[in-house]
Amino acid sequence: ETGVTQTPRHLVMGMTNKKSLKCEQHLGHNAMYWYKQSAKKPLELMFVYSLEERVENNSVPSRFSPECPNSSHLFLHLHTLQPEDSALYLCASSQGIGARLSNEKLFFGSGTQLSVL
Amino acid sequence: LAKTTQPISMDSYEGQEVNITCSHNNIATNDYITWYQQFPSQGPRFIIQGYKTKVTNEVASLFIPADRKSSTLSLPRVSLSDTAVYYCLVGLYSGGGADGLTFGKGTHLIIQP
Repeated sequence: ETGVTQTPRHLVMGMTNKKSLKCEQHLGHNAMYWYKQSAKKPLELMFVYSLEERVENNSVPSRFSPECPNSSHLFLHLHTLQPEDSALYLCASSQGIGARLSNEKLFFGSGTQLSVL
Repeated sequence: LAKTTQPISMDSYEGQEVNITCSHNNIATNDYITWYQQFPSQGPRFIIQGYKTKVTNEVASLFIPADRKSSTLSLPRVSLSDTAVYYCLVGLYSGGGADGLTFGKGTHLIIQP
């Protein structure tokens, strides 16, 4: 148990659906992240939030929309996805003291395995 | 920007000590070195972090030479459950780059009986 909980664990959706992934951390951290891991590929950093403000958006398509209402919760809203978006979506958190993220130790959730049909 | 290079894969046997080396020639003064372990269909798990010389915890040791251009993760007496992908990350993130948050391909360690 890492202290980072992601729901759902598995999600199957059609290309016209709208769904949301949820992440909650119980570690008192200030920074939260979304990563994408496609089959046989390295993890790709998607979004970074520090103190509830987005500090990184790694050229992610607009069909992925993050939301960070407070430092404990992070959402990834999905709409009109493509089959190539099928992947493991991982949420992580870190101490993130202040606005500068230095040598962070990341704590990951178990991920949401997403399949887009 | 610090970029890391690791072997793509390694094999070993149960009970052996395994050493995985990571090269980071462009490491900066303020950069720490962090290692993660990932099992299939799970998120990476933090193993160890260090700045110089040697760091040891209950899971592994991290050896960093004086020039800090490389580091070696040492796993003592491995078991089958240590089969996983191991990632080396270097650097910090300050809004101008995400090296410290960027995972490469890692090293796929396979432990055999």
